[in-house]
Amino acid sequence: QQQVKQSPQSLIVQKGGISIINCAYENTAFDYFPWYQQFPGKGPALLIAIRPDVSEKKEGRFTISFNKSAKQFSLHIMDSQPGDSATYFCAARAVSGGYNKLIFGAGTRLAVHP
Amino acid sequence: NAGVTQTPKFQVLKTGQSMTLQCAQDMNHNSMYWYRQDPGMGLRLIYYSASEGTTDKGEVPNGYNVSRLNKREFSLRLESAAPSQTSVYFCASGGHGVDNSPLHFGNGTRLTVT
Repeated sequence: QQQVKQSPQSLIVQKGGISIINCAYENTAFDYFPWYQQFPGKGPALLIAIRPDVSEKKEGRFTISFNKSAKQFSLHIMDSQPGDSATYFCAARAVSGGYNKLIFGAGTRLAVHP
Repeated sequence: NAGVTQTPKFQVLKTGQSMTLQCAQDMNHNSMYWYRQDPGMGLRLIYYSASEGTTDKGEVPNGYNVSRLNKREFSLRLESAAPSQTSVYFCASGGHGVDNSPLHFGNGTRLTVT
């Protein structure tokens, strides 16, 4: 059972375009929603994160939009660059037994073509 | 500043062989984790350790054992490797606690079981 559903599985965008990756969740106990970026041969690294009491968070070209009522959130990459080509994972945090548990989506492989 | 260090980077095993994946972190984090990454399935938690001396099962613990040797080191052992354990294994520390500090991942161990 996938608690965090991520789409699309892969995405091709032209340089300068907007990349959009979507995630949906069911568990209303999730209280924090990070996005991780992973380059080939490397481990994932935190890109940007949002709490559910905020509808949008922007850091440079990266924006998270959060819709609490729909239980959906998305990552927008403005002016996409070839260096943004990577795999992106959304995640959601829940506290279970005193432990902060991260549930990851299946990932989106983004390719930005010059 | 090494962060999270995993060894080995690559390993090929035959079915039934055993091995231990090593992980060490130098960030003084209490929590450490082992994930596996498979195409289309994202990152799935195998085991975690909320603090030195404690370990707990994650989503996919079958076929694995762990040891939290001290605060720095958390190892993952495959007692009798199976082809289904072919995957990329990531160790992480930290974990979005009350201060929302991120998970820090190592660069992974790519394991093939033939």
